[in-house]
Amino acid sequence: AQSVTQLDSQVPVFEEAPVELRCNYSSSVSVYLFWYVQYPNQGLQLLLKYLSGSTLVESINGFEAEFNKSQTSFHLRKPSVHISDTAEYFCAVIFHSGGYQKVTFGIGTKLQVIP
Amino acid sequence: DAGVTQSPTHLIKTRGQQVTLRCSPKSGHDTVSWYQQALGQGPQFIFQYYEEEERQRGNFPDRFSGHQFPNYSSELNVNALLLGDSALYLCASSWDRGNEQFFGPGTRLTVL
Repeated sequence: AQSVTQLDSQVPVFEEAPVELRCNYSSSVSVYLFWYVQYPNQGLQLLLKYLSGSTLVESINGFEAEFNKSQTSFHLRKPSVHISDTAEYFCAVIFHSGGYQKVTFGIGTKLQVIP
Repeated sequence: DAGVTQSPTHLIKTRGQQVTLRCSPKSGHDTVSWYQQALGQGPQFIFQYYEEEERQRGNFPDRFSGHQFPNYSSELNVNALLLGDSALYLCASSWDRGNEQFFGPGTRLTVL
């Protein structure tokens, strides 16, 4: 079965500390991987994506994620968080099957940055 | 560029009623996808429209239907509303069913 798992529903972290938000998936087909961020009362914004090539991808605001095929993971990391990073983060996976691309989201991880 | 726009922002309906939500895609995009995000959950894929046809569908009943117009805008219709249909409905647009989807701010539907 194809699924996306975000094990941590909430992650509190002090400002300027590092953070890792975990995402694992289960799939028998090839995948594309995404991280989206959602601020309160807003839609989702694409943070970064892995389609092919280098397994380490970076965003413009200091986040990075690494595709690990053997561990079927795509964890999101930031070496030093800021108050403005407080938001909910969703991992999303596109499973390639039968010519169609089905997008599946994880349940989200709420990142709370503590001053 | 206005990005993806959705209307209305909020909507309150009662059980059994019907509702129509609207979405205008980002300029240059021709594909629209709809998602339901229940409280505390990730978005769930409802369906995708491309070239005015439903191309993919998630695990949602036939009460959920849609339409795409020649200008690529789209509507989501939900009939016979249930309490469980209360959610944030998100529209996302992309180019040629592409991978990078741009999301609108959503429509918050409350069913009483």
